[in-house]
Amino acid sequence: GENVEQHPSTLSVQEGDSAVIKCTYSDSASNYFPWYKQELGKRPQLIIDIRSNVGEKKDQRIAVTLNKTAKHFSLHITETQPEDSAVYFCAATPSGSARQLTFGSGTQLTVLP
Amino acid sequence: DGGITQSPKYLFRKEGQNVTLSCEQNLNHDAMYWYRQDPGQGLRLIYYSQIVNDFQKGDIAEGYSVSREKKESFPLTVTSAQKNPTAFYLCASSLGGDTSETQYFGPGTRLLVL
Repeated sequence: GENVEQHPSTLSVQEGDSAVIKCTYSDSASNYFPWYKQELGKRPQLIIDIRSNVGEKKDQRIAVTLNKTAKHFSLHITETQPEDSAVYFCAATPSGSARQLTFGSGTQLTVLP
Repeated sequence: DGGITQSPKYLFRKEGQNVTLSCEQNLNHDAMYWYRQDPGQGLRLIYYSQIVNDFQKGDIAEGYSVSREKKESFPLTVTSAQKNPTAFYLCASSLGGDTSETQYFGPGTRLLVL
């Protein structure tokens, strides 16, 4: 089955700097890659996702890049703000109902004021 | 995600006891999921259901059971066979069973063993 590795496990950045979180996956059939944000004590929420037919997707200060050849994808947050502090999870799956999302182990991002 | 609820927020289990976690959604979603979250680990899939009266085991189903008698409800029972049940349990739903559809999560239930 799919295996997703996520790095780093913790990341501290100064407010205004950029943050990058990287994930690698093992199943070459995976073609859907969502990112979830979980604030302390709250539920995970989808912040951005990408499908294998594109290499990059942006939404304001957040972007995700995908390299299918190398089987890795990354989350980029620019101009970080204190409210970006949270745990971020990547996930991967082939589309279709037979397979389910496999999540990475999470990255605790702390934005220092 | 406000349309998916879980109860209770905290649950305590005694040795040898079965406990049931509730998950309800009013989003008219066909698919529902149960995940377990442990510190320093990602979400691990326990069970999922793509349609009423049908469900499949996830990666860590041992010691758990579910039912899907109604579209809106997907309760999870943690049985006495689950030897390490202390964790944060998250329920999720999606419009259909295709894994590329957005999953919406409930607020979670924290289970503690006495």
